[in-house]
Amino acid sequence: KQEVTQIPAALSVPEGENLVLNCSFTDSAIYNLQWFRQDPGKGLTSLLLIQSSQREQTSGRLNASLDKSSGRSTLYIAASQPGDSATYLCAVDAGNMLTFGGGTRLMVKP
Amino acid sequence: DGGITQSPKYLFRKEGQNVTLSCEQNLNHDAMYWYRQDPGQGLRLIYYSQIVNDFQKGDIAEGYSVSREKKESFPLTVTSAQKNPTAFYLCASSTTARPYGYTFGSGTRLTVV
Repeated sequence: KQEVTQIPAALSVPEGENLVLNCSFTDSAIYNLQWFRQDPGKGLTSLLLIQSSQREQTSGRLNASLDKSSGRSTLYIAASQPGDSATYLCAVDAGNMLTFGGGTRLMVKP
Repeated sequence: DGGITQSPKYLFRKEGQNVTLSCEQNLNHDAMYWYRQDPGQGLRLIYYSQIVNDFQKGDIAEGYSVSREKKESFPLTVTSAQKNPTAFYLCASSTTARPYGYTFGSGTRLTVV
């Protein structure tokens, strides 16, 4: 059964820092990996989707990488801002459904 | 604007009562999903449906029921058999063609009173 782990569970950084969120998964037979953002009490907003044949995707200050063979993905956030404060979830798709990690709760302090 | 609408935003259930959460999408997606989120935890799959009139159990289906009579709609009923229903419920939809990008609704917070 696929298991997804996110480290760290929580992270607090000063504004302007570059940071890396980690996601690992146990079964490399995936179609894609998706990173989401969740604000308190809200739904999920898709940030980046990396297909299994891709190595990375970029959107603005966000860059996500995927190493299927080692079961790892990272989300890189450049020049962090207080507005980036949220919970970040990674999820892997093996064909029928998403399996989620527990999330990283990020706080960016002004 | 295309998207997923969940209602109500907040719902209160008395002991022994069944309640139904609504999920509607206008994205023309074939597949729809229900997830449950408990505080500080990731999402767990309750039920999913890939086509109309067909649905499958997820990891935590006990105490829940669904129907898929229309492509646009996938309501979730939380029955009295669900002993710990207080949680945040999220509905999602996706295409059934790769890359299967998922879109989520804004959620319903269910509380037992």
